[in-house]
Amino acid sequence: QLQLQESGPGLVKPSETLSLTCTVSGGSISSTSYYWGWIRQPPGKGLEWIGTIYYSGSTYYNPSLKSRVTISVDTSKNQFSLKLTSVTAADSAVYYCARQYSSGPGQPTMIDYWGQGTLVTVSS
Amino acid sequence: DIVMAQSPLSLPVTPGEPASISCRSSQSLLHSNGYNCLDWYLQKPGQSPQLLIYMGSNRASGVPDRFSGSGSGTDFTLKISRVEAEDVGLYYCMQAVQTPITFGQGTRLEIK
Repeated sequence: QLQLQESGPGLVKPSETLSLTCTVSGGSISSTSYYWGWIRQPPGKGLEWIGTIYYSGSTYYNPSLKSRVTISVDTSKNQFSLKLTSVTAADSAVYYCARQYSSGPGQPTMIDYWGQGTLVTVSS
Repeated sequence: DIVMAQSPLSLPVTPGEPASISCRSSQSLLHSNGYNCLDWYLQKPGQSPQLLIYMGSNRASGVPDRFSGSGSGTDFTLKISRVEAEDVGLYYCMQAVQTPITFGQGTRLEIK
């Protein structure tokens, strides 16, 4: 059974960088059939797709965050990571890592596995 | 970006009764491969979202057959034939025909 587990600081100061890692177990992050993504959900609000990465390193970002986001992959550790720079209170959210099925080149689609989510609060 | 609009946003339902949620997109979600890139997710209280329906009408593994999805292009519907207490939560539609992937606002289903 595939499992995804987010890890990282739960509290980040304004203007600093939010860094999270997702560890994948029960399956290989190098599978050609999947992308690996990040989604966030501010408290009491809806879901926002942040971006996704293929095992080869190809990335796709939400333009609303693109200037501040970097997603990377470490196939040797079966992990992928999120960095979000210059955070503000508006970046406070539960951050989910997830697996997205690949329908072809540049085509991440359905999210079939989600991590449990980790709450990140931006506050001084 | 493709805008996803769900209705209603709140849905009180009596157990055993049917329920229906609409999802409309600002652009067609029909991919060149012939599939609609529209999925439905349920986020139960305190949990991560879970996949219910993919490509518009395909039930995900383990999803009860009381859940069904239909529609094509820009107009989609999720139906629950007989609501059970365990179906409470937030229902989201999501489009993946193009990035950025976008979600509907969510529909909160509650038991009367």
